[in-house]
Formats: sequence, structure tokens, C-alpha cells
Amino acid sequence: EVQLVESGGGLVQPGGSLRLSCAASGFTFSIYSMSWVRQAPGKGLEWVSYISSSTGTIYYADSVKGRFTISRDNAENSLYLQMISLRDEDTAVYYCATDGGSTSFQHWGQGTLVTVSS
Amino acid sequence: DIQMTQSPSTLSASLGDRVTITCRASQSVSSWLAWYQQKPGKAPKLLIYKASSLESGVPSRFSGSGSGTEFTLTISSLQPDDFATYYCQQYNSYPYTFGQGTKLEIK
Repeated sequence: EVQLVESGGGLVQPGGSLRLSCAASGFTFSIYSMSWVRQAPGKGLEWVSYISSSTGTIYYADSVKGRFTISRDNAENSLYLQMISLRDEDTAVYYCATDGGSTSFQHWGQGTLVTVSS
Repeated sequence: DIQMTQSPSTLSASLGDRVTITCRASQSVSSWLAWYQQKPGKAPKLLIYKASSLESGVPSRFSGSGSGTEFTLTISSLQPDDFATYYCQQYNSYPYTFGQGTKLEIK
């Protein structure tokens, strides 16, 4: 069974940093591209960042470019999102998801809440 | 960026009703269109990919159609478990974008 488990969320002050992790199991993580998707409280879904299976291709939404860094460790079956210079508007539940080409976001984690507030 | 617009934003319907949700893209996304169902406090669940392909395990009362810029999600006979929020999403090009969501409520 495919499992994605996010961790690392919490309360952080504006301007602060946080590193999210996503632990994958139940599938061959190393051959899957992955994405982070977020959802602000009471709002819709927003794609944040993409990383290919080999880390050769990376994309970011304009709203996070220059502040967030996506990475992965295929040996550890883990996906990461390093977030710096956090803003109030980054407050959201952050989901990791498989980005499977023709099937788009087929599998999702349960999400981790990031709250940016003073 | 490709903008996705869903209609309606809210839909009130009764058990057994046939309902249709529309999604329009600001430019062609070919058939690279997915539909998700989300319930409160839960992660989205993939229902339809490539505009009309039913994800494994999803009931056959869900169907998708369309190509280019106009797409529809149809639920043929509403069941209690279907009351949720539905999102369309284009994955023709990055940045991938979602519609604003359609909340399906019990009438």
C-alpha cells in the first residue's frame, strides 16, 4: 500500500524557517516524480513545487521561488521542502503527492500544517 | 499561467440526483485534466485523470469528459458519500493549476 507521511510542520514567526519531510513507502519511490501542494485554511489547492525522480528537473510556483527548496533522498525514500523567509500567506496545510505523469497527483499524504504568525 | 474556472462554486442536490460540474481552462490543456474529491480535514482523492479515465477503485457513477478548454465531471446518481468539495486541475504545463472548487451540498 502506498503511504506518504509528512512531518515538520508547526508554528513559526514571519521571516523564520522550517523544513518539511515526506516519508514514502509501499512503492518504488526512486522512479516517481514528486510535488508539494498546499492549502491555506478554508481555501483551495495550490501547487508549490516539483522534483523529478532523478532530481534533474525542479520547478517552483512564483509565490515561493527563491524562498523554498525542494529536494529528495532516494536512498532514504524521502522528500523535503526547505522553507525560509516565511510569510503569513505561507500558512497552509502542506501535502506531498506523487506526480505521476499521465495520472497527475495520484497519491497524497495526510498533510502537515504550517502556521506563520507572530 | 493557465487559469482554471469551475462552475458552480456551490451545488445543492439530493440523493439520487445526476449532477454536473464544469471546468474551463484559459487555454488548451489537451486532455491533461484531473478531478479530485476532498472531504473536510482530509487530503484530496484522485477521481478522474486524462479528462475521462476513472482512477482505480473509484465508483463508476463518476465520469469525466471534455478536451481542450471545456471539461465536465458528472455523478450519475448521488450517494451520501459524494457530498464533498471537487477540484479540477490542469497538468498540461507547469505551474499546474487548480480550479477554485465546487462544494456539493445536500439539498
